[in-house]
Amino acid sequence: QQPVQSPQAVILREGEDAVINCSSSKALYSVHWYRQKHGEAPVFLMILLKGGEQKGHDKISASFNEKKQQSSLYLTASQLSYSGTYFCGRGGGSQGNLIFGKGTKLSVKP
Amino acid sequence: GAGVSQSPSNKVTEKGKDVELRCDPISGHTALYWYRQRLGQGLEFLIYFQGNSAPDKSGLPSDRFSAERTGESVSTLTIQRTQQEDSAVYLCASSSNPGGRTGELFFGEGSRLTVL
Repeated sequence: QQPVQSPQAVILREGEDAVINCSSSKALYSVHWYRQKHGEAPVFLMILLKGGEQKGHDKISASFNEKKQQSSLYLTASQLSYSGTYFCGRGGGSQGNLIFGKGTKLSVKP
Repeated sequence: GAGVSQSPSNKVTEKGKDVELRCDPISGHTALYWYRQRLGQGLEFLIYFQGNSAPDKSGLPSDRFSAERTGESVSTLTIQRTQQEDSAVYLCASSSNPGGRTGELFFGEGSRLTVL
């Protein structure tokens, strides 16, 4: 069963912030975030392995609430280059599998 | 090679024909994944190989779909008796999966399949 992402789509002006949520009804051993630009392959952003862990690079960060089986991706002071579809993935623990949500389409306008 | 390589990049076939899609993973990566992405849709898991373990085939949509992997190298996804609903981009990814846990996936550029 795939994780559920919200919102499905969001439109921002450059400089605005956004939050993308990911929740799972199955155990979340790890949470994986990827971004896919139009016509390109998905690209890795980050993995969160522990409950409560927060990670980030540049102005994109994420948190992982293992108890609630949720993760959130935070994009601050968005740039045009942030546009794309963001996917969260549920890691399968020792099984190594990765099941993605349906994605959140982010559009950043000048 | 430097990255994950997939071939063909584009394939147009007639309904009912069989197709083979190839994936050459990053050297040394023990894990290999296949995903299907229909136009404007998400990444639909198909199958996962980890080393010499039995593959996780739970995502294959029907018995027309099959995949093989020789050791830790090339993988082939075969679709028999193709249908129009099989039209999609088929993405392959590989990962080192340290300790067997899901690591960073490196995706190929995909094989775009069009079934007429």
